[in-house]
Amino acid sequence: NAGVMQNPRHLVRRRGQEARLRCSPMKGHSHVYWYRQLPEEGLKFMVYLQKENIIDESGMPKERFSAEFPKEGPSILRIQQVVRGDSAAYFCASSPGQGFLEKLFFGSGTQLSVL
Amino acid sequence: AQSVTQPDIHITVSEGASLELRCNYSYGATPYLFWYVQSPGQGLQLLLKYFSGDTLVQGIKGFEAEFKRSQSSFNLRKPSVHWSDAAEYFCAVGAKGTYKYIFGTGTRLKVLA
Repeated sequence: NAGVMQNPRHLVRRRGQEARLRCSPMKGHSHVYWYRQLPEEGLKFMVYLQKENIIDESGMPKERFSAEFPKEGPSILRIQQVVRGDSAAYFCASSPGQGFLEKLFFGSGTQLSVL
Repeated sequence: AQSVTQPDIHITVSEGASLELRCNYSYGATPYLFWYVQSPGQGLQLLLKYFSGDTLVQGIKGFEAEFKRSQSSFNLRKPSVHWSDAAEYFCAVGAKGTYKYIFGTGTRLKVLA
């Protein structure tokens, strides 16, 4: 049973380019959560999605960041016109349903470096 | 404000020695507490969690943690560390009915042979 798969593991972008981070949840999971870990900080919640719906994006920066979880395919976190401050590790987690008592399964993360 | 503090950024112990990683939290509601481990190149793996009941919680890989409400702490312990325990450890807090964790900044553990 494959875990949460994130790709790429490492992504290098120049300022102004777009970054696309992918997350395939565990089989049978329909809930996806994105977290970001800035240098020297803890992981911080960004967005919670179900299939075709954004449930909570309160942790997402208002500009340049967007997320989707289509009916088919992985969840995508998209960062437009990246800046150096976007350099961070981005983690995705999935769960089979909404329920805090359920264990979240985390992926290995994508390390984004902006030159 | 809600927060989790892991005061030790780096800890180095010898293999076979005991280990304690500190975690303090500030949280308005009754906290649900977690410890995660991230080995190099791996995702975050849940070590243990505390929701209620016995304040001493047993987890995987021989880890345990004790919830002390009076000290707002949830320290992680292991009696004898193995070289494979070298990793980064994250403490997190949340509450019933919410899906948002608040994470600490992590403690990186190095194990000397």
